[in-house]
Amino acid sequence: GAVVSQHPSWVICKSGTSVKIECRSLDFQATTMFWYRQFPKQSLMLMATSNEGSKATYEQGVEKDKFLINHASLTLSTLTVTSAHPEDSSFYICRLTGVNTEAFFGQGTRLTVV
Amino acid sequence: AQTVTQSQPEMSVQEAETVTLSCTYDTSESNYYLFWYKQPPSRQMILVIRQEAYKQQNATENRFSVNFQKAAKSFSLKISDSQLGDTAMYFCAFMKLGDYKLSFGAGTTVTVRA
Repeated sequence: GAVVSQHPSWVICKSGTSVKIECRSLDFQATTMFWYRQFPKQSLMLMATSNEGSKATYEQGVEKDKFLINHASLTLSTLTVTSAHPEDSSFYICRLTGVNTEAFFGQGTRLTVV
Repeated sequence: AQTVTQSQPEMSVQEAETVTLSCTYDTSESNYYLFWYKQPPSRQMILVIRQEAYKQQNATENRFSVNFQKAAKSFSLKISDSQLGDTAMYFCAFMKLGDYKLSFGAGTTVTVRA
């Protein structure tokens, strides 16, 4: 069964509003979480990495004030897209890993900003 | 920084035939992992196969096998007896030992024809 649950699977929001995406590990302690962004027919681009208990590390070119990442616990990470605009429309995927465990991907969230 | 190159944007194969996807990478590391991931239309990332760089033996998982050439920094994926369910985008990925961050190639879209 799935070990990572990502919600919502798809969301439509109005321009200027904020959207929160959750990623939960179901049966292991996720010490490190990664958030990726993927445009259609393109590769996954790493946005940020978060380790439990510390602030997220953002990749170059990713606005940390726009994409808020909270690694709230060892089982939950959230990505909030603040003041979303149509160019933020994309597919967002989380990837979680723990100590001495495999890494697992979430199912992804398709965000459409209208 | 590591770069992963997949030079074939698209490939088509007849059902039951064999197809080989190429992947090259650039790194100064001596210990690392290489992966092939499958992303079907559902967009769920699925691990196909993993290779540890210190192992000379090529990894195999049922119909999927790799040709790992460490000196040439090449890591190709062979899909034998292709099935319609193999239709997906395939990503080659690199991970440094001790670091859970993945570097992805651009991806190859594989279409299996009936």
